[in-house]
Amino acid sequence: AQSVTQLDSQVPVFEEAPVELRCNYSSSVSVYLFWYVQYPNQGLQLLLKYLSGSTLVKGINGFEAEFNKSQTSFHLRKPSVHISDTAEYFCAVTSYNQGGKLIFGQGTELSVKP
Amino acid sequence: DAGVIQSPRHEVTEMGQEVTLRCKPISGHNSLFWYRQTMMRGLELLIYFNNNVPIDDSGMPEDRFSAKMPNASFSTLKIQPSEPRDSAVYFCASSYRGGNTIYFGEGSWLTVV
Repeated sequence: AQSVTQLDSQVPVFEEAPVELRCNYSSSVSVYLFWYVQYPNQGLQLLLKYLSGSTLVKGINGFEAEFNKSQTSFHLRKPSVHISDTAEYFCAVTSYNQGGKLIFGQGTELSVKP
Repeated sequence: DAGVIQSPRHEVTEMGQEVTLRCKPISGHNSLFWYRQTMMRGLELLIYFNNNVPIDDSGMPEDRFSAKMPNASFSTLKIQPSEPRDSAVYFCASSYRGGNTIYFGEGSWLTVV
């Protein structure tokens, strides 16, 4: 069975500071990894994904994530956050044999303060 | 391009009433997913379809919940009778089978009082 653990439920940070949102996964097969963002009262929007190839993945809004197979991690980073990045962020995993089913972490609430 | 379209966006209903949530997947996508989001349980997969056929409904909480996909462009999730604990955001999502990215709708906010 696959699982995802987001290590921080809430991350407060000041505007223009760097941020890292942590995600660890568990799987017995090769994985595909995703980060989604959910702004208040909205649906989930894909930030970035890792399918194969380069372990450093760049997404929208200046976010990037690094796949680390040995540490089974897929941490999300941004060098300088904006107030508008305040949202809930979800890490998710699937694999070739899951029919596209995504398993989500519990989410990390990023709160950017002025 | 139109994304995944869900209706209604918000619904408030009384306990015991039937609730029907609707979803139109992205044109050309042949996999459709229904997820539920609550504070306590996060995002849970309820059921998914490939080519209009239910593949895995193990996440459907109980017999009060049912889902159908009569054609490639429409799906429903029905709750009958509804209970207050069904209050949640219900997301529909779609993907192209063989692809690796799932696209979500804006969600249906359900409140059962």
